[in-house]
Amino acid sequence: SYELTQPPSVSVSPGQTARITCSGDALAKQYGFWYQQKPGQAPVLVIYKDSERPSGIPERFSGSNSGTTVTLTISGVQAEDEADYYCQSADSNSFVVFGGGTKLTVL
Amino acid sequence: EVQLVQSGAEVKKPGESLKISCKGSGYRFTNYWIGWVRQMPGKGLEWMGIIYPGDSDTRYSPSFQGQVIISADKSNNTAYLQWPTLKASDTAMYYCARHTDSSGYYGDWGQGTLVTVSS
Repeated sequence: SYELTQPPSVSVSPGQTARITCSGDALAKQYGFWYQQKPGQAPVLVIYKDSERPSGIPERFSGSNSGTTVTLTISGVQAEDEADYYCQSADSNSFVVFGGGTKLTVL
Repeated sequence: EVQLVQSGAEVKKPGESLKISCKGSGYRFTNYWIGWVRQMPGKGLEWMGIIYPGDSDTRYSPSFQGQVIISADKSNNTAYLQWPTLKASDTAMYYCARHTDSSGYYGDWGQGTLVTVSS
């Protein structure tokens, strides 16, 4: 098994840029994915394959991979972006791991 | 439109058994892995395991191996998560989700099933 490590919390003011990191050795070989989860709702995919954005996800969401760390960047953060964010990866046998989650607070 | 519709909330007692469901529609059910994810109250997402409905190939997280049973009925486009013996610590929200492609991400999620186990 392997682990993905995220900071427990990130705080930004509206209009600023939020960056949430996710680290793990597996990310050097496997893609990273990101989900947004608001209270009482199911998770929603916001970034797949490190940097691809699903249709319907605002352009202010972007992703990058620098070896063993993937980063979710939210540019021009809005109040509605306040949520928990989870990174995820999967190995070649389809075994999945989630990061511990990061609570994004919009001040 | 892809949809995963899960069965309703359950309240059970410790020691009882339970089977919850996840019905897929809008896509070829047999061709995509379905996974189950646990979220305990106030906690993060935990991957439990997956099943490929086409041939019922099933894989479990080591943390859940032997604790739950994942199955699927391809004739009914439905995946299941089953507990032979519930414990209070099984109280959680359970989500099913569809692997969108072989890279392993979940593009589609069910609405969740809340399981409460209490005496």
